[in-house]
Amino acid sequence: GESVGLHLPTLSVQEGDNSIINCAYSNSASDYFIWYKQESGKGPQFIIDIRSNMDKRQGQRVTVLLNKTVKHLSLQIAATQPGDSAVYFCAENMRNDMRFGAGTRLTVKP
Amino acid sequence: EPEVTQTPSHQVTQMGQEVILRCVPISNHLYFYWYRQILGQKVEFLVSFYNNEISEKSEIFDDQFSVERPDGSNFTLKIRSTKLEDSAMYFCASRVTGDQPQHFGDGTRLSIL
Repeated sequence: GESVGLHLPTLSVQEGDNSIINCAYSNSASDYFIWYKQESGKGPQFIIDIRSNMDKRQGQRVTVLLNKTVKHLSLQIAATQPGDSAVYFCAENMRNDMRFGAGTRLTVKP
Repeated sequence: EPEVTQTPSHQVTQMGQEVILRCVPISNHLYFYWYRQILGQKVEFLVSFYNNEISEKSEIFDDQFSVERPDGSNFTLKIRSTKLEDSAMYFCASRVTGDQPQHFGDGTRLSIL
């Protein structure tokens, strides 16, 4: 079936480096995607979203890139900090719900 | 900033008992959701609710599950006869419209003994 998935389950980076978290989706009709951050013991927290009429969207230290040709999106975190350590999920907005990928655990080493 | 609140944070229940998980969505939001996350796994959709009725439900949301918005602020998930495999984190979410991000509460950890 159609689904949203993550390329890598874990990512470890040095503090201050940039992080890139990837996500593949299979529903070519999807037009809205969201990245969430989930810290231990907390609910998913909205980071940034992007609609299919855009290729790139920037927030504070975060950038989301959407490649509709290969059905891929990525989350880039600039100057990664210890507080960025968490699990990151991409989510594909459906008509009445969202479908989450499996998540990537980002660990930031001091 | 307004947030979704969930109570209790942890619920321990005997197998076969009924449990009600409570949520207070953000006040101007119109769409409400319940999700489940088994330890170490991804977030799974259970049900969506709009205009006082269920919009969509997943295969997980069987006859043992029900949702209700009993007043203008609360949104509840009831599991009628709990099973061991119902043990999970349950997240409530809400959003203003169907094409805006969902905002999540911090969840209720449900432990079935």
